[in-house]
Amino acid sequence: GENVEQHPSTLSVQEGDSAVIKCTYSDSASNYFPWYKQELGKRPQLIIDIRSNVGEKKDQRIAVTLNKTAKHFSLHITETQPEDSAVYFCAARGRGGGADGLTFGKGTHLIIQP
Amino acid sequence: DAGVIQSPRHEVTEMGQEVTLRCKPISGHNSLFWYRQTMMRGLELLIYFNNNVPIDDSGMPEDRFSAKMPNASFSTLKIQPSEPRDSAVYFCASSQIPIMNTEAFFGQGTRLTVV
Repeated sequence: GENVEQHPSTLSVQEGDSAVIKCTYSDSASNYFPWYKQELGKRPQLIIDIRSNVGEKKDQRIAVTLNKTAKHFSLHITETQPEDSAVYFCAARGRGGGADGLTFGKGTHLIIQP
Repeated sequence: DAGVIQSPRHEVTEMGQEVTLRCKPISGHNSLFWYRQTMMRGLELLIYFNNNVPIDDSGMPEDRFSAKMPNASFSTLKIQPSEPRDSAVYFCASSQIPIMNTEAFFGQGTRLTVV
């Protein structure tokens, strides 16, 4: 099955600086890579996703890059703000069809220092 | 749509008791997933259903865990007997097929404490 590794487990950055979270996956057939944000005591919610037919996607301050050859993908948050503080999870879905459950990384606790 | 609805939100039970967690997926979604979240292990996929049929239950930790989906709008996750190490937040999520690789929407979760 799929295995997703995520680094770092904790990331502290100054407000206004950029944050980068990296993930690797094991199943070369995986073709969908979402990122979820989970605030304390709340459910994970999708913030951005990327499919294997593109290498980069951007949505305002958030961008995701995908390197299929190396089997890794990254989340980039620019101009960080206090409300960006949360736990971020990367995930991968393999074999297509939408029926397979997402395999999640262990999460990154992002702390934005004022 | 109210989103994925889980009940109860919190459950405290004694070791050895049976626990049943409930989930109502988003109407029209035909994939349903049960996840368990702990500090140590993160988000773990327990089981997922496609069109009410269990497709992969390899993540179910033990025979004490079972899940059913009798119809498209309801699923249960049962633990019998429960143990303290089952304490976690259990999330249900749903997504839509045949649209490929779509977002999974999570419910609010059930925080289970087994004492």
